[in-house]
Amino acid sequence: AQKVTQAQTEISVVEKEDVTLDCVYETRDTTYYLFWYKQPPSGELVFLIRRNSFDEQNEISGRYSWNFQKSTSSFNFTITASQVVDSAVYFCALLNNAGNMLTFGGGTRLMVKP
Amino acid sequence: DAMVIQNPRYQVTQFGKPVTLSCSQTLNHNVMYWYQQKSSQAPKLLFHYYDKDFNNEADTPDNFQSRRPNTSFCFLDIRSPGLGDAAMYLCATREGLTDTQYFGPGTRLTVL
Repeated sequence: AQKVTQAQTEISVVEKEDVTLDCVYETRDTTYYLFWYKQPPSGELVFLIRRNSFDEQNEISGRYSWNFQKSTSSFNFTITASQVVDSAVYFCALLNNAGNMLTFGGGTRLMVKP
Repeated sequence: DAMVIQNPRYQVTQFGKPVTLSCSQTLNHNVMYWYQQKSSQAPKLLFHYYDKDFNNEADTPDNFQSRRPNTSFCFLDIRSPGLGDAAMYLCATREGLTDTQYFGPGTRLTVL
């Protein structure tokens, strides 16, 4: 069985602060895929990033960056200079090698205050 | 823009009165999913279609059914909604090359 843990259920920051959302996963597959989704108050799950298990390069997209560390089974997400519009629930998810099981973490609610 | 569309965005039904939620996609993806998401929880997979092949999760109640008449449309039927079925229902499609799932805006179901 596979599992995704997002230990932080809720984080509150003030605008312009940097914030890191943690994600730790468990799987027996040697090939797998990791995702981050953003769910704003409107409810839609917005795809942010996909990472396969063989690619440990960190990725940066604007104010967003992701740190994948296979040795610690972690895939952390950092928002630099946070903005009020970043307020949302963020889900980390793990897709198995067969591609038929997407397991979500419990989500982290991020509140960015002006 | 190509996308996943869900109608209606908000649905109110009465206890025991059948309700149908709809999802359509313009992405031409061959896999479609239905998830149930209750407040402050992660989405829970109900079932999915690979083309017309239906795959039911083991713990999905019999009260939930689905239909996929063609590639573009998928429906979720709740035969006798209970108060515990009040939730956000999310439809998603899967892109074949990267296996990334793309979600619709969801339908928030209220059961009175």
